[in-house]
Amino acid sequence: DTGVSQDPRHKITKRGQNVTFRCDPISEHNRLYWYRQTLGQGPEFLTYFQNEAQLEKSRLLSDRFSAERPKGSFSTLEIQRTEQGDSAMYLCASSLATGVYEQYFGPGTRLTVT
Amino acid sequence: DAKTTQPPSMDCAEGRAANLPCNHSTISGNEYVYWYRQIHSQGPQYIIHGLKNNETNEMASLIITEDRKSSTLILPHATLRDTAVYYCIVRVSGTYKYIFGTGTRLKVLA
Repeated sequence: DTGVSQDPRHKITKRGQNVTFRCDPISEHNRLYWYRQTLGQGPEFLTYFQNEAQLEKSRLLSDRFSAERPKGSFSTLEIQRTEQGDSAMYLCASSLATGVYEQYFGPGTRLTVT
Repeated sequence: DAKTTQPPSMDCAEGRAANLPCNHSTISGNEYVYWYRQIHSQGPQYIIHGLKNNETNEMASLIITEDRKSSTLILPHATLRDTAVYYCIVRVSGTYKYIFGTGTRLKVLA
């Protein structure tokens, strides 16, 4: 399967700990997105990369959140000093840069902060 | 800012057409409307997109009003496997930010 993969699928952490999630996009896709989804809500945009450049960040992405895509391939999303409000599903999506921007989503990482 | 409004839930009998409406009155003139669906515990899945004209693919049809302020996704012969949350999505013009909204939970009944 050459779809978008995310690791881990589930993460339980204690408040105040740091967590890091990884996303591996489809190999030829140079656009990569991170979203956050809470229960009963649609995904909310967090940030966007084109190759290794982070071109857009949502105001939802507080200073405790940082995302990287160091070589334009996989991406990481780190949350420092986690809070209970960070509990959510974190989704990664990728797309081609040309044409209509159909996004392919990964299965998500479910974060629970206790 | 870009926004989409959808009914929170709908039921449809198996084998009948499911018509899912979406209001996107703030859409910019050159932005597409996208539809995705999300089956429980999975990532969203692309269905179809459109700009001005009606579109059809193997999964669904998309009807966009002439003023582009609303659209309807049509699943012509709904099956139990079409039970999911359906999202109508627009992009904020001049950005890479996509707005999902709260979606419509479609339940296909046997």
